[in-house]
Amino acid sequence: GQNIDQPTEMTATEGAIVQINCTYQTSGFNGLFWYQQHAGEAPTFLSYNVLDGLEEKGRFSSFLSRSKGYSYLLLKELQMKDSASYLCAPERGYQKVTFGIGTKLQVIP
Amino acid sequence: ETGVTQSPTHLIKTRGQQVTLRCSSQSGHNTVSWYQQALGQGPQFIFQYYREEENGRGNFPPRFSGLQFPNYSSELNVNALELDDSALYLCASSPGQDNSPLHFGNGTRLTVT
Repeated sequence: GQNIDQPTEMTATEGAIVQINCTYQTSGFNGLFWYQQHAGEAPTFLSYNVLDGLEEKGRFSSFLSRSKGYSYLLLKELQMKDSASYLCAPERGYQKVTFGIGTKLQVIP
Repeated sequence: ETGVTQSPTHLIKTRGQQVTLRCSSQSGHNTVSWYQQALGQGPQFIFQYYREEENGRGNFPPRFSGLQFPNYSSELNVNALELDDSALYLCASSPGQDNSPLHFGNGTRLTVT
């Protein structure tokens, strides 16, 4: 199986920082996507990591460790609109993307 | 630039029936992937088409089949529908290059009764 592990639910306060962790099997690994999915909507692309290290894009950053099969998504200055599911999605080979169950993040005032 | 469009948006079918779902890929994209997303779960990979050929398949039975047309639009066909096939079916297109993100349509919500 794909063995993509991420927490099912998290709660954080508006204005705070939250880190969503993801571990995955490293066999055939090419890179890792993070997607955001609001309830009832399609997933939208957030980030892609292929090299080890941190990629920063505005309030969102994503980290990858290829050798450890580990990634995290860091959300800073949380806003209410960030309440959504965050999907960790390893890519194995050419455009073959598999998704974890997703982490449902609730941002509270 | 037109995004990924799927039709219909909602569909209700009876167990045992057949269904065809349609997807128009984003302009310039030659790769289409189909996913099934049950409530509270992540999207599960069904299969992928690249330039009209199936280019990978997930753990779904043969009654799930597909096509891709010369204009890169695609169909997902499901035969002998089962209650567990009730889900959101997502189509995603990409330009067929490594590291390119998938661009998702809004999905078709299928209910099997």
